[in-house]
Amino acid sequence: GAGVSQSPSNKVTEKGKDVELRCDPISGHTALYWYRQSLGQGLEFLIYFQGNSAPDKSGLPSDRFSAERTGGSVSTLTIQRTQQEDSAVYLCASSLALGDEQFFGPGTRLTVL
Amino acid sequence: AQSVTQLDSQVPVFEEAPVELRCNYSSSVSVYLFWYVQYPNQGLQLLLKYLSGSTLVKGINGFEAEFNKSQTSFHLRKPSVHISDTAEYFCAVRSSGNTPLVFGKGTRLSVIA
Repeated sequence: GAGVSQSPSNKVTEKGKDVELRCDPISGHTALYWYRQSLGQGLEFLIYFQGNSAPDKSGLPSDRFSAERTGGSVSTLTIQRTQQEDSAVYLCASSLALGDEQFFGPGTRLTVL
Repeated sequence: AQSVTQLDSQVPVFEEAPVELRCNYSSSVSVYLFWYVQYPNQGLQLLLKYLSGSTLVKGINGFEAEFNKSQTSFHLRKPSVHISDTAEYFCAVRSSGNTPLVFGKGTRLSVIA
């Protein structure tokens, strides 16, 4: 079946605007993860969902970041009042169960001007 | 909490030379170990994984890794690299139980012609 998909692939926005990033996991995968990858940096873990529940939100960089997952499927990562330091590639991954092998999407490249 | 250390942030190597990318993890009773590869402008894909059994694990593209419990290491090796192996490599670990993978900061492998 189809892999993990993310949209948009690229997003350019102005500082102060809100953005919404979308992730469609592999069908049947109960766990979903969001990461951020800044230029020259490693993977920064943001948040994970088990079903629709996110047990630990401490990885989100600030209260401008929020994420939700509905119907055990699609997830959205919302960044309010974007700042230039939010510029990065946002990666989504899913796995059959929490802790299993993760399958990654191609990422959304966010540029905040 | 589990942690992963990738000792080298960048590894340059000449084409057809051998390479070893190092990964150490914090000790735990039992762990599952993974190596992921990220080619330029792409998402991460699984290279190989150790769950149990033989400590020498073979993956795609001629890569292999050896689980060494006493040294808490899971180094990635390839006897002869190609230009196409130029990529970012991430080591990841998961303890038993329902916990997400923990990723290292990555090692950038640059293969020089």
